[in-house]
Amino acid sequence: DSGVTQTPKHLITATGQRVTLRCSPRSGDLSVYWYQQSLDQGLQFLIQYYNGEERAKGNILERFSAQQFPDLHSELNLSSLELGDSALYFCASSVVRENTGELFFGEGSRLTVL
Amino acid sequence: GESVGLHLPTLSVQEGDNSIINCAYSNSASDYFIWYKQESGKGPQFIIDIRSNMDKRQGQRVTVLLNKTVKHLSLQIAATQPGDSAVYFCAESPPTRKLVFGAGTILRVKS
Repeated sequence: DSGVTQTPKHLITATGQRVTLRCSPRSGDLSVYWYQQSLDQGLQFLIQYYNGEERAKGNILERFSAQQFPDLHSELNLSSLELGDSALYFCASSVVRENTGELFFGEGSRLTVL
Repeated sequence: GESVGLHLPTLSVQEGDNSIINCAYSNSASDYFIWYKQESGKGPQFIIDIRSNMDKRQGQRVTVLLNKTVKHLSLQIAATQPGDSAVYFCAESPPTRKLVFGAGTILRVKS
């Protein structure tokens, strides 16, 4: 158990819909990262928050947004969903501000868009 | 569990043999490298890391080798066990500090 909690574990929705994925980092970790994992793209970095502020941005679509709340949990919002958004979405956390070092990953949220 | 990579390269080894998983990284300015293990249905798990001022680092049953000349990283697993079966990812940390993950290699251990 990494200590990172993600909900929901599975989500099935239709094209055009909007979903929210939730992540609780390990106790004491200030950084939260979101990654997308698909069969043809591998693990792709989406975005990082550190202590409530956006720290780094990766290949995140404009239809996607995220935030980190004062209690350090984070949410990833995916809107106007397309079939190609079907993937595993991982949240990871770490103590440090920089995107280096050991990241602790949750078990992921599997999104299926029909 | 679900497979995370149906089109990934696969390494099959006999239980008890040593495994070597290779990775080519892309950015010559990357100065920090990590290996992660992902078991079916789980998130990636940190195995070992190495900084660019080193060419070898050993952990428990694992060794990472770094060859900066050819931008190559390898993970050696000694006495491979069935529990080592997983997808293995290398990751590099370039100056942007956005970790870049490789495509992954499936390790299958035959008993």
